[in-house]
This record gives sequence, structure tokens and C-alpha cells, in this order.
Amino acid sequence: KQEVTQIPAALSVPEGENLVLNCSFTDSAIYNLQWFRQDPGKGLTSLLLIQSSQREQTSGRLNASLDKSSGRSTLYIAASQPGDSATYLCAVSFKEGNAGNNRKLIWGLGTSLAVNP
Amino acid sequence: AAGVIQSPRHLIKEKRETATLKCYPIPRHDTVYWYQQGPGQDPQFLISFYEKMQSDKGSIPDRFSAQQFSDYHSELNMSSLELGDSALYFCASSLGPRLAGDSGANVLTFGAGSRLTVL
Repeated sequence: KQEVTQIPAALSVPEGENLVLNCSFTDSAIYNLQWFRQDPGKGLTSLLLIQSSQREQTSGRLNASLDKSSGRSTLYIAASQPGDSATYLCAVSFKEGNAGNNRKLIWGLGTSLAVNP
Repeated sequence: AAGVIQSPRHLIKEKRETATLKCYPIPRHDTVYWYQQGPGQDPQFLISFYEKMQSDKGSIPDRFSAQQFSDYHSELNMSSLELGDSALYFCASSLGPRLAGDSGANVLTFGAGSRLTVL
């Protein structure tokens, strides 16, 4: 069964800290992996997308890495700010079960991040 | 840039009523996906359409149906609503293989979601 697991489930850090969120997945045959941010009761904001052929992607203070062989991805947030407080979701598009045009995503449960001023 | 448009953003219904959610994909995107996210849960895949045909089916209840129209917009119809149907419903769109090729390039872009509350 294809699964995506995120650790930790919740994280609370003081402002300014660098932090790492972890995502693991059960099948290394993937099309891509995306990191999303979701504020309480709000929509999904795509942060970073890593294609299967890539090792990392960077956007501002965010850096996401991908290690397919070990089934892991990390989201690194540098110099965290209170505005970074949200739930961060990892979603994977697996190759199996996604034949042809399909690219449906399998999601982790997210890491709830609180950055304290 | 144009994004995925979902309407309505909020909807309140009584039990056993029906509801329809609409999704307008990014221009040129020919594939649409529907997800349901219950409180405190991860999004669950419901159904997808490619070129107006159902392409994949997930955990969509029999009380729900969906279709994709000639302009590629999609509608999710929900009947005999239950309290447990209260959730955020997300629509996503992507380029299908005809336009993007059979690679990971056809990435999903999500709409802001429609919040359904069943009383």
C-alpha cells in the first residue's frame, strides 16, 4: 500500500530557528513530490515541487530535498518567522496506480508548525 | 496568472439535501481532480477526469457524482447529504499526457477549496 508519513506531527520553535520537516514514502517509483502549506481552515498553497529526476528545490527560505532510494524528503525552513506557522503537507504522485494521465496525490497527515515570537 | 477557480467558497446545507460544487481549471488544463478533506485529516482523492471522461476513481461515495464538461470545467454533485460530508472540497487541474507528455511535468494545481457544512 502506498503511504506517506510525516514526522513530527507537531513542532513548536522560537522565532529565528532553522528547522526540518520530514516526509517518508513507501514506494520509490514516483513522478513527483510536493510540499504544501495550509493555514487553519484554508486552502492549499503549493510551496515546492520536486520532480522524480531532481534532488532538491529552493524557494526563498525554503529548501526541499528528495532521496528516492530511501523514500525520504525534507523541507528545510531557514530563519523561521511567526508567519510560517501553519500545517505543512507532503504529497506524492506515485507511478503505480497512476497510469496514463493520472497524477493523483497521496498525502501525509502534515506537520503542524508553531513559530513563537 | 489564472488559477483554479472553485465555487461556491462556502456552502451550508441541511441533511438529505443536495449540493453542487463547481471547478474551473487553469486554461489549457484538460485533467481535473476532486479531493475531500475532513477536519484534521489529509485530503482524500475522490475522482478525476481527463478529456471529459472519468479517468480514476477513489473513495467517492455512491451518493456523489461528477462530470467534466466540454469547456473542461467540472461539477461535483452530492445528494442525500450526511453530517459526515462536511469538509473542504478541493479541485485540482493539470495538463494531461496529450499536452504535457507522459512525465511528471503534469503537476497538479489546486483551487482554494469549497467548504461544505451540513447541518
